[in-house]
Amino acid sequence: KAGVTQTPRYLIKTRGQQVTLSCSPISGHRSVSWYQQTPGQGLQFLFEYFSETQRNKGNFPGRFSGRQFSNSRSEMNVSTLELGDSALYLCASSLVVPRTQYFGPGTRLLVL
Amino acid sequence: KNEVEQSPQNLTAQEGEFITINCSYSVGISALHWLQQHPGGGIVSLFMLSSGKKKHGRLIATINIQEKHSSLHITASHPRDSAVYICAVTADSWGKLQFGAGTQVVVTP
Repeated sequence: KAGVTQTPRYLIKTRGQQVTLSCSPISGHRSVSWYQQTPGQGLQFLFEYFSETQRNKGNFPGRFSGRQFSNSRSEMNVSTLELGDSALYLCASSLVVPRTQYFGPGTRLLVL
Repeated sequence: KNEVEQSPQNLTAQEGEFITINCSYSVGISALHWLQQHPGGGIVSLFMLSSGKKKHGRLIATINIQEKHSSLHITASHPRDSAVYICAVTADSWGKLQFGAGTQVVVTP
């Protein structure tokens, strides 16, 4: 089976712009989670989707949003980018049971 | 205060040595995960456990629910084990992970 894929892998944006990141889960996985990793804050949970519904949300401002499509692919959007949004954004997919998370390679976002 | 604490932050070992990384948490959990992250960012899930002990190759993970503590052991360490090892917990039945800060492991030949 193909692993979790994320596009794009690298992205450079300027402050105030918006960005959309995409995640395709492993076939058969209906749960997709998103994480942000920065040197200062480490790994932080953004949100989780299952069957097109957001099941959990982390402590991030409303500028961060996401959605999941009927084929389980997921997107996350960050509007009005700030310098502090520069990070590695990881998505992970899992089955309902067991909930082992399979991570994608990440999208590295740089905000200038 | 982080609800998931790892120790040590950094660890250097010689090839062949036994390595232990510790993780303590302060919340009720449904499962604890050990993850491995290599330079470049890729994360691999090593173990997910809610009780007892699991073994995979040279890696062993244990958890003590009463003491809210888990350990990851690497036996006969090898330079390819050099990576950041991250402990994470889930407090509910879904996938919201809370992460420790990670332990940077360097194994020298």
